[in-house]
Amino acid sequence: GQNIDQPTEMTATEGAIVQINCTYQTSGFNGLFWYQQHAGEAPTFLSYNVLDGLEEKGRFSSFLSRSKGYSYLLLKELQMKDSASYLCAVAPYYGGSQGNLIFGKGTKLSVKP
Amino acid sequence: GAVVSQHPSWVICKSGTSVKIECRSLDFQATTMFWYRQFPKQSLMLMATSNEGSKATYEQGVEKDKFLINHASLTLSTLTVTSAHPEDSSFYICRATQEEVNTEAFFGQGTRLTVV
Repeated sequence: GQNIDQPTEMTATEGAIVQINCTYQTSGFNGLFWYQQHAGEAPTFLSYNVLDGLEEKGRFSSFLSRSKGYSYLLLKELQMKDSASYLCAVAPYYGGSQGNLIFGKGTKLSVKP
Repeated sequence: GAVVSQHPSWVICKSGTSVKIECRSLDFQATTMFWYRQFPKQSLMLMATSNEGSKATYEQGVEKDKFLINHASLTLSTLTVTSAHPEDSSFYICRATQEEVNTEAFFGQGTRLTVV
């Protein structure tokens, strides 16, 4: 079956660094996405990893290890506006079904002063 | 970047009535549209996949006669919730793809449906 696991909730302090982990078991793999979702809003794209390693984009970085079925999202210099849910999603197929993603339940991050 | 416009952003309807949700791709051709449903504190669950000009493919457990999907053009797809019941209250969101674009995600803004 398809399964994506990530912690339900995390709390961190403004200015700190937080790492949100995600593990997956899927029938195929064509990349892993991270999204940010504020309550009642659509998810917004943060990152995409298809090869092993670390991708850095400003305050956000994402890491992937395909052999371990593992990824993490690293948020640096946390700001209050980073309080949101962070969704890990896997694209299990290549080609025309690329857009069909399997989503984790999301990690609700609370940033405190 | 590509934009998908979803309307309405929220709707309240009476039990037994039907509600139509529209998703329009504004600057690209959406060959495939995915419709998701998200209950509170849950992940986005795929309801159905539609390709322009074809019948939608529904996920197991999703009633095709209750959730009518139309994808008659490359820029418009609609989801109609027929004979809505309170348990259909949820956040519905579309996601459009261009086959040649592999990394971007084009979500609509989402529709909060409340059935009373």
